[in-house]
Amino acid sequence: GDSVTQMEGPVTLSEEAFLTINCTYTATGYPSLFWYVQYPGEGLQLLLKATKADDKGSNKGFEATYRKETTSFHLEKGSVQVSDSAVYFCALMNQGGKLIFGQGTELSVKP
Amino acid sequence: EPEVTQTPSHQVTQMGQEVILRCVPISNHLYFYWYRQILGQKVEFLVSFYNNEISEKSEIFDDQFSVERPDGSNFTLKIRSTKLEDSAMYFCASRTSGSPGELFFGEGSRLTVL
Repeated sequence: GDSVTQMEGPVTLSEEAFLTINCTYTATGYPSLFWYVQYPGEGLQLLLKATKADDKGSNKGFEATYRKETTSFHLEKGSVQVSDSAVYFCALMNQGGKLIFGQGTELSVKP
Repeated sequence: EPEVTQTPSHQVTQMGQEVILRCVPISNHLYFYWYRQILGQKVEFLVSFYNNEISEKSEIFDDQFSVERPDGSNFTLKIRSTKLEDSAMYFCASRTSGSPGELFFGEGSRLTVL
């Protein structure tokens, strides 16, 4: 069945460091891909999305490119801030409209 | 900005009790979902609902669970006889029709079963 695999956390970085969180997927057809973020004690917020191959989603300095050939959607940010500390979830939406999440990657940014 | 609202934000209950979690989806949305997140674990799909019926449900969504849209605005999740392992954060989500539809999530209802 459809699934999403993320790199394991926690990831600990210093402020202004470069961030990459790897995400790969398995799906039938052509899913849409998403990154959601969950700040401590809060719900899930959409961070960015991409709907077809080679699309790049971007928001708040974060970027991810839909790579069909490697079935990947890695999240990147050039310079992280303490306020980026959160759990990041990669997800795909399958043809039936169901959102399937990866296991989440906790990011901790130290000043 | 329209948002999905959930109540209660936190509920503590005794094992074996019935619990109803309530959600008010965004008003023009047509697809509704419940997800569950056990503390520190991944977000898991429970059920999707469209046109007043369940369109898909997961293995987790057994006979102890039910969903209902009792009126034009609310979407509820009922757990008939709670177990300790039902303790989790439950998220409601909704989206419009069409593809790809972004899911809009509520803030979640934390259920603690003692």
